[in-house]
Amino acid sequence: GQNIDQPTEMTATEGAIVQINCTYQTSGFNGLFWYQQHAGEAPTFLSYNVLDGLEEKGRFSSFLSRSKGYSYLLLKELQMKDSASYLCAVIIVSGNTGKLIFGQGTTLQVKP
Amino acid sequence: EAQVTQNPRYLITVTGKKLTVTCSQNMNHEYMSWYRQDPGLGLRQIYYSMNVEVTDKGDVPEGYKVSRKEKRNFPLILESPSPNQTSLYFCASSKRGKLTDTQYFGPGTRLTVL
Repeated sequence: GQNIDQPTEMTATEGAIVQINCTYQTSGFNGLFWYQQHAGEAPTFLSYNVLDGLEEKGRFSSFLSRSKGYSYLLLKELQMKDSASYLCAVIIVSGNTGKLIFGQGTTLQVKP
Repeated sequence: EAQVTQNPRYLITVTGKKLTVTCSQNMNHEYMSWYRQDPGLGLRQIYYSMNVEVTDKGDVPEGYKVSRKEKRNFPLILESPSPNQTSLYFCASSKRGKLTDTQYFGPGTRLTVL
């Protein structure tokens, strides 16, 4: 079956760096998204990786290793407003069909 | 402002009373989708639509209906709601319907079925 694993909760300190991991066991992998979701709000797009390596976008970076079924989201210079859930989502393609499967999300709490 | 809107934002209802949650987008997107989000289960897709008059089941379609008569609107219908449909619902849209497209989510509808 298809499975995506993320830690449920993480805590970090303002100004620090935090890495949120996502591992997946899927067939037909065709890309991975990271979304940010503040409590009670809609998910918003952070990044998309389809090739191995690191994609940097300001304070946020996302890494993918397809051979290891592994991705991480790196948040630098943490700010209080980064307290949110971070959702990993994997694109799975099989024949002519595909779907986007979300992990459970990681709730990050940033403390002063 | 480009956005996805949903109404109502909050709804408390009783078992068996038909309800509709509306979703509208003003970005001329072809693809629209409904998700439900439950603690510990993440976002799960209910139905999606690749374009007008084209809809298909997602992972958890039981107990739901949808229609896509116009490009901008994609209502979610619960003909006979049950307590296990208590959840947070999100509508989303994307430009072309390719899975690699970024999805834009509405603000969510928190539904409680008593």
